Amino acid sequence: EIVLTQSPGTLSVSPGERATLSCRASQSLTGSFLAWYQQRPGQAPRLLIYGASTRASGIPDTFSGSGSGTDFTLTINRLEPEDFAVYYCQQYGSSPYTFGQGTKLEIK
Amino acid sequence: QVQLVQSGAEVKKPGSSVKVSCKASGATFSNYAINWVRQAPGQGLEWMGGVTPIFGSSNYAQKFQGRVTITADDSTTTAYMELTTLTSEDTAVYYCARDDAGPQAFDIWGQGTMVTVSS
Repeated sequence: EIVLTQSPGTLSVSPGERATLSCRASQSLTGSFLAWYQQRPGQAPRLLIYGASTRASGIPDTFSGSGSGTDFTLTINRLEPEDFAVYYCQQYGSSPYTFGQGTKLEIK
Repeated sequence: QVQLVQSGAEVKKPGSSVKVSCKASGATFSNYAINWVRQAPGQGLEWMGGVTPIFGSSNYAQKFQGRVTITADDSTTTAYMELTTLTSEDTAVYYCARDDAGPQAFDIWGQGTMVTVSS
């Protein structure tokens, strides 16, 4: 089973600033089958990024993903109030399709 | 527009079973896989397994093997997740989520079904 470790657990950033979230895999993700999801309180997760760097439909370009192998990053530029949420990475190339434990992005 | 609509909240006794449904609308059902992901209160996301209707095959996380059954009915475009021998640790929100039958991310999610296990 591939273990995904996200850091930090909680990130405090001011609106308008940039947030950088990290996801590290316990083994190399061939094909870069790595996704990022946003989850707001009381809502289902929403797909933001797939294939490590491709934005999903309707996702603004303030969200960007990068990385390969075992190290991946989600960057959110010009933070809006609605961006403060929990973010999860997921690998979907090898069953079981594991998630990281999440990073809570909070307003500083 | 594709939507996944799940059945309502459930309250179950320890040792019993629960079956949650997930109805797809707005797309050809068979072309996709339907996954089930759960989230215990205040916790993260946990993939339980999935089904690919076009192949009629299911795939489960080892943690749930023998206790979970995921099926799909193409005629009603509905997927089901049945979990048996419930304990309080199964109290969670259960989500269904679609992927495009291949290594694909989960692009459409149901609204979630709260399952509470309590005596």
